[in-house]
Amino acid sequence: TAGITQAPTSQILAAGRSMTLRCTQDMRHNAMYWYRQDLGLGLRLIHYSNTAGTTGKGEVPDGYSVSRANTDDFPLTLASAVPSQTSVYFCASSDSEGTQYFGPGTRLLVL
Amino acid sequence: DAKTTQPPSMDCAEGRAANLPCNHSTISGNEYVYWYRQIHSQGPQYIIHGLKNNETNEMASLIITEDRKSSTLILPHATLRDTAVYYCIVRAYNAGNNRKLIWGLGTSLAVNP
Repeated sequence: TAGITQAPTSQILAAGRSMTLRCTQDMRHNAMYWYRQDLGLGLRLIHYSNTAGTTGKGEVPDGYSVSRANTDDFPLTLASAVPSQTSVYFCASSDSEGTQYFGPGTRLLVL
Repeated sequence: DAKTTQPPSMDCAEGRAANLPCNHSTISGNEYVYWYRQIHSQGPQYIIHGLKNNETNEMASLIITEDRKSSTLILPHATLRDTAVYYCIVRAYNAGNNRKLIWGLGTSLAVNP
């Protein structure tokens, strides 16, 4: 079982450009999450989705959007990237007991 | 969800037990204690969780005090591959309000040969 896959693994992006980070899970979990991790700040929740068709804002949602058209996919879009969005992005899903499972991450550098 | 306090770093000799403490003095009655770890450059990995009773699985043991205000994660025979940042989190079981899940900075465990 693949679990959570994320693409791309890493990316260098020019400021002002748009980008979509992809996340796919094969565990049929209802809930999915996007986090960013910055040195000294730990994991911060960007957006989440409790089930297909619904999304919600996390702690740091500004500059990001998400969609949840189906159970398996939860893409994160940066409409107009800024340097402060340089970070490592992790996608996760959780089972019925609330245990979260994480993908390998996407390393993004915005110049 | 309640806040947790962990020491920023710890050392452990290879083959010895690693005991990682966590303080969660404001934990509520319906909140579970979860432990995750993050090996360098990888996504966090679930280790174990518990409510009141001590728990053990193939990775670790979780000891929760009777008043539930603190807990200890025990890696019984630490190896170099256990070098990682360990996160202690408390949250309500299957909580729907995921916005309140707070990840602190965890404990950076270094297992030395």
